[in-house]
Amino acid sequence: EDKVVQSPLSLVVHEGDTVTLNCSYEVTNFRSLLWYKQEKKAPTFLFMLTSSGIEKKSGRLSSILDKKELFSILNITATQTGDSAVYLCAVNYGGSQGNLIFGKGTKLSVKP
Amino acid sequence: DTAVSQTPKYLVTQMGNDKSIKCEQNLGHDTMYWYKQDSKKFLKIMFSYNNKELIINETVPNRFSPKSPDKAHLNLHINSLELGDSAVYFCASSQPGSSIQYFGAGTRLSVL
Repeated sequence: EDKVVQSPLSLVVHEGDTVTLNCSYEVTNFRSLLWYKQEKKAPTFLFMLTSSGIEKKSGRLSSILDKKELFSILNITATQTGDSAVYLCAVNYGGSQGNLIFGKGTKLSVKP
Repeated sequence: DTAVSQTPKYLVTQMGNDKSIKCEQNLGHDTMYWYKQDSKKFLKIMFSYNNKELIINETVPNRFSPKSPDKAHLNLHINSLELGDSAVYFCASSQPGSSIQYFGAGTRLSVL
């Protein structure tokens, strides 16, 4: 059975801390791995990773994929209260319509 | 200029009723999706649809049916609502062959 597992499920840090969120997967026909940020409403796209070892970076956020060990990490440096959200990892497991299977998310709370 | 919009944002109804949720995207995408997010924030695919193919997650009851009047719209009809249908329903869309999906703000359905 295809699955995506995220850890930790929740995390509380203080502003300025650095956090690492984990995502492991077992899927047939892997195509890509995506990270989304969900605050109160719609999940918003952060990164898409298709190749191992190539870091994607956007400001204080970065992510990398290891296709051999079947996992990805999302790093957030110098966290701010605005980073508080649920971070969702999803894997595109192929097929003609690019369906995504999501992990259960990591709830990050950043305290002032 | 919302890219993916859903209506209504909130829907409160009685068990046994029939209801619809509308979704429209102005991104010119060919593929649209419906997801259900339960109380534990787990986001699960229900349907994916383009003008050629409807793929239904086999765990979705046949009381749920997607209807697409045109490429920019994918509505969700739910018959004989049950308590367990209470959740947030998200619509999403993507370009053909792309893993990146763009989400609407969600519709919170409460069945009493």
